[in-house]
Amino acid sequence: AQTVTQSQPEMSVQEAETVTLSCTYDTSESDYYLFWYKQPPSRQMILVIRQEAYKQQNATENRFSVNFQKAAKSFSLKISDSQLGDAAMYFCAYRGPNTGTASKLTFGTGTRLQVTL
Amino acid sequence: SAVISQKPSRDICQRGTSLTIQCQVDSQVTMMFWYRQQPGQSLTLIATANQGSEATYESGFVIDKFPISRPNLTFSTLTVSNMSPEDSSIYLCSVVRDRITDTQYFGPGTRLTVL
Repeated sequence: AQTVTQSQPEMSVQEAETVTLSCTYDTSESDYYLFWYKQPPSRQMILVIRQEAYKQQNATENRFSVNFQKAAKSFSLKISDSQLGDAAMYFCAYRGPNTGTASKLTFGTGTRLQVTL
Repeated sequence: SAVISQKPSRDICQRGTSLTIQCQVDSQVTMMFWYRQQPGQSLTLIATANQGSEATYESGFVIDKFPISRPNLTFSTLTVSNMSPEDSSIYLCSVVRDRITDTQYFGPGTRLTVL
């Protein structure tokens, strides 16, 4: 079974600085998808960024970018120019290949990010 | 993305009772899912809500405890039956709008407390 590991339960970053959240996963598949979701105290799960395993180029969304290392099965999230609104729980998630059946997401345990002034 | 609403947003229930949670999407979606997030934990998939047929449950979840309906392509319900304090969690629905991107978008969640 696929597993997703987030080894940092908590991280802290100063406003305007850069922080990297780590995520590793285990899979025997060659085609899959990886996601980072953000969950602020409002508990709404918000999609931050999406990466397709067959794409070598790292995904970016404004201040958010990933470092996808397929051979190492690593998928870290870099947040640049951190803002107070970035404070939240961040979950890394894995989804296997599109087989036409349920597109099950497997989540990591999450990293709580604090942003300080 | 899709606009997803859930009702109720929160509830406090007595043990032994049942609660039905609704998930409404603003447009037709291909897939709908129900997740549970226990306090301080990550999300665990309960089941895939299939339109017009029985839901597909994950290991550890059964239909008698978590009956699910999906009468059309924009609406689903999850019932938490015969509740106990261990059922206190956030319950979230998610949807996939198209199978090309196959990205899941989540509703705001329902916070359930069972006394």
